[in-house]
Formats: sequence, structure tokens, C-alpha cells
Amino acid sequence: EAQVTQNPRYLITVTGKKLTVTCSQNMNHEYMSWYRQDPGLGLRQIYYSMNVEVTDKGDVPEGYKVSRKEKRNFPLILESPSPNQTSLYFCASSFFGGANPYNEQFFGPGTRLTVL
Amino acid sequence: AQTVTQSQPEMSVQEAETVTLSCTYDTSESDYYLFWYKQPPSRQMILVIRQEAYKQQNATENRFSVNFQKAAKSFSLKISDSQLGDAAMYFCAYQNNAGNMLTFGGGTRLMVKP
Repeated sequence: EAQVTQNPRYLITVTGKKLTVTCSQNMNHEYMSWYRQDPGLGLRQIYYSMNVEVTDKGDVPEGYKVSRKEKRNFPLILESPSPNQTSLYFCASSFFGGANPYNEQFFGPGTRLTVL
Repeated sequence: AQTVTQSQPEMSVQEAETVTLSCTYDTSESDYYLFWYKQPPSRQMILVIRQEAYKQQNATENRFSVNFQKAAKSFSLKISDSQLGDAAMYFCAYQNNAGNMLTFGGGTRLMVKP
């Protein structure tokens, strides 16, 4: 089944304790992206990757890191989480360009992160 | 940077009736893509409908249609014959011409009354 998976789905942590949220897709998509969702603000793009070893900042990259060492994986790293990073996080992926001019993105199920 | 505004935080509709959700955006690009996503309580993001800016014809998907007014930078979603399963959060989104940035509005929560 074609899908985007995220782990963990729920996480409660404390300020300053490094964490990683994994994202994996099995569709051979070039493009992957991370978003955070907050009430009234919709989803905001954190980082995106056009392909392996190619990453770039979105609208709200502060406090986050990403890496793209393999095509299928795009982990989101919070080196020193703070309470203002409490949010719902989504990973998404897509074929880029060519037969998919819309860059229609497939979203993962979301990760609910709480930083105390 | 592009911005997307959904001015209706909440909307309510009677089952079987029609409802329109509003969305406006700001951009200096001439080519771009617009989307409506549905997010039910399961939190899954589901693509409802999409529109290319260079197409004048409004997109339609079954009971869902859009009213795209490029000059006014408006992209509203019309849901006909509303069903209980339509109750969800709806997000309007703008994708830039390069295809690498997707900007969302703040969302509209739609309630459907039986």
C-alpha cells in the first residue's frame, strides 16, 4: 500500500531533550516536506527536500533540522525542544514536476508533540 | 511571500443543503496552483479539489466545485447536497509556480446538521 508513515504518532517530552520524528514514504517520491499545524494558523511549512541531500527552509524553520540521506526517509530533528514547538506535525511527499505538475502531496497521519 | 486567508473560522450547514467556504490569497505570480484539503477528526489530510491558475474553467469533483476568480485572488469551495461525512476542517492552500512551497489558510471548521 502506497503510504507516508510517521513515528511516533504521539510524543510527550520535556524542554531541551533532543528528539527525532521519522518520516518514510514507499512511493519513490523525490519531494518531501514537513509542516506544523497550529489552531487558527493552518499548516505551515518547516523544511522541504527536492531530492537526496537537497533540503531547504520553509516558512518556520527555526528550532528544527532535517536530513535527506535516503530517498524514502526525511526525519525531523528537534535538537532542544521548547514548549512553543508543541504542535501537530505532518510529513508529506510527492513526485515533482513531469507527470505531476500539481506536485500533489500525500500526507502522513500526523505526530502530536507536546513539550513540557 | 504568499498569504492565504480563510475569513470564516466556522460554518454550519443543514444536511442536503449547499454551503460555500471562502478563501482569498495574495501573490505576485501569474502561474500557480490552488487546493482545498479536508481534515476530518482522524486528522488525515485529504485532497478535495485542485485548480490551475492558467485555467479559466472552474474545477468540479462530484459535489464539490470551486469559484476561481483570478483577478480578485479568490478561490471559494462550494459543497452541494451536504452530507454528515462532510463535517471536517477545510483548508485552502496555494502552491507556488516552482512547486516547492505550499501555503495554507487558517482553516474553516464545517459542521453539518442532520
